[in-house]
Amino acid sequence: DTEVTQTPKHLVMGMTNKKSLKCEQHMGHRAMYWYKQKAKKPPELMFVYSYEKLSINESVPSRFSPECPNSSLLNLHLHALQPEDSALYLCASSQTSGRGYQETQYFGPGTRLLVL
Amino acid sequence: SQQGEEDPQALSIQEGENATMNCSYKTSINNLQWYRQNSGRGLVHLILIRSNEREKHSGRLRVTLDTSKKSSSLLITASRAADTASYFCATDLVGGSEKLVFGKGTKLTVNP
Repeated sequence: DTEVTQTPKHLVMGMTNKKSLKCEQHMGHRAMYWYKQKAKKPPELMFVYSYEKLSINESVPSRFSPECPNSSLLNLHLHALQPEDSALYLCASSQTSGRGYQETQYFGPGTRLLVL
Repeated sequence: SQQGEEDPQALSIQEGENATMNCSYKTSINNLQWYRQNSGRGLVHLILIRSNEREKHSGRLRVTLDTSKKSSSLLITASRAADTASYFCATDLVGGSEKLVFGKGTKLTVNP
């Protein structure tokens, strides 16, 4: 199973709402990632979890709160977002090389978020 | 700033033709990866080429890496309409943290 699943596929939320994005993989990968992608732009890394611990936070505003409950699940909690946060949010996972190399990342289909 | 820069930004060809996309980068890498993204969907991994490799093939895809020029190219032979997508190179930097840095991408359109 080389699939990364993400729910929901689409999300519309107001600026005062709290919502969560979910990501799941069953490939035994110990590295998981959140990316944000605006239209016609490359993915921008937000967070990296390695062995369920946050290893990289790319200076993401605190209105985005990641969580890794176990090795298969990754959540992104959203609160008080701004309209400019509207984007495609992608989750990915990969093996960890143990030698500092980045291995192939497997991406989910994404959640398209619209903030009104 | 983006590590990888793809060239061209957009490419339009006819079915059956070959498509070549280039990626340049600035600092030493462990490996370079190519991904494809269909409109509004997730990215799909195509090929990973390590810094000590010069060429890799996968089906109709051929990737070359020239570390002296800090550049890579992706060749798609005998293109099909289904190859229409955005293609991104992503670099794994030497001494970098556990992440890939994506280039701006090339938008490929294959006309039937």
